Amino acid sequence: AQSVTQLDSHVSVSEGTPVLLRCNYSSSYSPSLFWYVQHPNKGLQLLLKYTSAATLVKGINGFEAEFKKSETSFHLTKPSAHMSDAAEYFCVVSDYNTDKLIFGTGTRLQVFP
Amino acid sequence: GAGVSQSPRYKVAKRGQDVALRCDPISGHVSLFWYQQALGQGPEFLTYFQNEAQLDKSGLPSDRFFAERPEGSVSTLKIQRTQQEDSAVYLCASSLLGLAGGWGEQFFGPGTRLTVL
Repeated sequence: AQSVTQLDSHVSVSEGTPVLLRCNYSSSYSPSLFWYVQHPNKGLQLLLKYTSAATLVKGINGFEAEFKKSETSFHLTKPSAHMSDAAEYFCVVSDYNTDKLIFGTGTRLQVFP
Repeated sequence: GAGVSQSPRYKVAKRGQDVALRCDPISGHVSLFWYQQALGQGPEFLTYFQNEAQLDKSGLPSDRFFAERPEGSVSTLKIQRTQQEDSAVYLCASSLLGLAGGWGEQFFGPGTRLTVL
């Protein structure tokens, strides 16, 4: 069975400082991993995805994530936070057989001016 | 519209009532998924269609939940005899291809927020 664990339920940063949202995964197969963002009262938006190509994945809005098999991690980073980055972030793994998405519990990112 | 749409956006039901939630996927998308997102939680898978075929309904929490996609486009999620624990946001997503392995990006609708009193 596949699963993801988001290590922080809340992360707070100041605007202009780096962002790190941590995610560990468990999978019997080479996983397909995603980060989605959910702004209040808006739908889920795909930030980036890893599907066994390059281990460093670049996404939208300056976000990137690095797949580390040895650490079973897929942490999301951004060099400089912006106020508009405040949202809920979900680390997600795709089921190998059916493509259904298995979500983590989410990390709420707060950005202070 | 280019995205996935869902209606109604908000639904309030009295306990015991039946509700029907609609999803309009992106035109031409083969796969359609329903997820349930309880307050403060991540979305959880309910069911999956490839065209009109329901290939996986393992996430439906009880036999009060029923989903259909009769013509391979619009889908309806029906909940019979609603209970308070059914209160959640119901999300629909579609993807272009019916491939496994995570190749198909899922595009999400805005969700329907169901409140059962």
